[in-house]
Amino acid sequence: EAGVTQFPSHSVIEKGQTVTLRCDPISGHDNLYWYRRVMGKEIKFLLHFVKESKQDESGMPNNRFLAERTGGTYSTLKVQPAELEDSGVYFCASSQGLAAPRGEQYFGPGTRLTVT
Amino acid sequence: GQQVMQIPQYQHVQEGEDFTTYCNSSTTLSNIQWYKQRPGGHPVFLIQLVKSGEVKKQKRLTFQFGEAKKNSSLHITATQTTDVGTYFCAGARGQNFVFGPGTRLSVLP
Repeated sequence: EAGVTQFPSHSVIEKGQTVTLRCDPISGHDNLYWYRRVMGKEIKFLLHFVKESKQDESGMPNNRFLAERTGGTYSTLKVQPAELEDSGVYFCASSQGLAAPRGEQYFGPGTRLTVT
Repeated sequence: GQQVMQIPQYQHVQEGEDFTTYCNSSTTLSNIQWYKQRPGGHPVFLIQLVKSGEVKKQKRLTFQFGEAKKNSSLHITATQTTDVGTYFCAGARGQNFVFGPGTRLSVLP
C-alpha cells in the first residue's frame, strides 16, 4: 500500500511569489490534514478535510493560504503571495474513519518551503 | 486555546540509560497520541491512549496517560542509538489534534 505522498519535496521561492503544494493521501482515507513545522518548533495544525469538505480550518494563518481537496482525493495548499514567515516544512497527513477519537495519522514526507 | 507542553525540550543520554519525556495539557484530553520523527524524516505514529490511567508498552517503550487525562509520559528503557529523534505528543482537540513542541533525544554511543 502506497503511503502519503507530497510534491514537491523542496521549494525555494521569492517573497511575493505563489507556490502550490500537493498531497496525495492514502487511498480510502477520508481525513486529510495539513500541518506546518517552523524552525524545529511544534507541528502546528492548519486545517482538516473530511472527504472534500473543510471540517476545521481554524489553524490557517491568514487569507494568503488556500486549501482545496477536489473530489475528496488529493489536496492542494496554495500560498499567494508568499511571505518570509511562511518558510517551514509543510506536512500532510491522512487517517481512516469518521468516528471520534480519530485514529492513527499517516504523515507524508513533507514539503520544505523556503521564502527568500 | 488549548496548549500542549512537553519537557524537556532536549535530552542527551548515554546509550543504555533511560529516558522520559512528559506531556502536559492545559485542558482535559479525550485521548492522546505519540509520534516519533527521526532527523530529516516525518512523524511516525507510535501509540494512542484513551482511558484514564492507561499504561501501554511497546518493547522498551512505556506510555502512560494520567488519571486526570491532562498529562502523559513516554519512558524508554535502556536507550539505543536507533531511539534518536524528536518525540511529539498530540492531544485531541475536538476532532483534531494539538501537537506539543516535542522532545529531541540524542543518544551517545
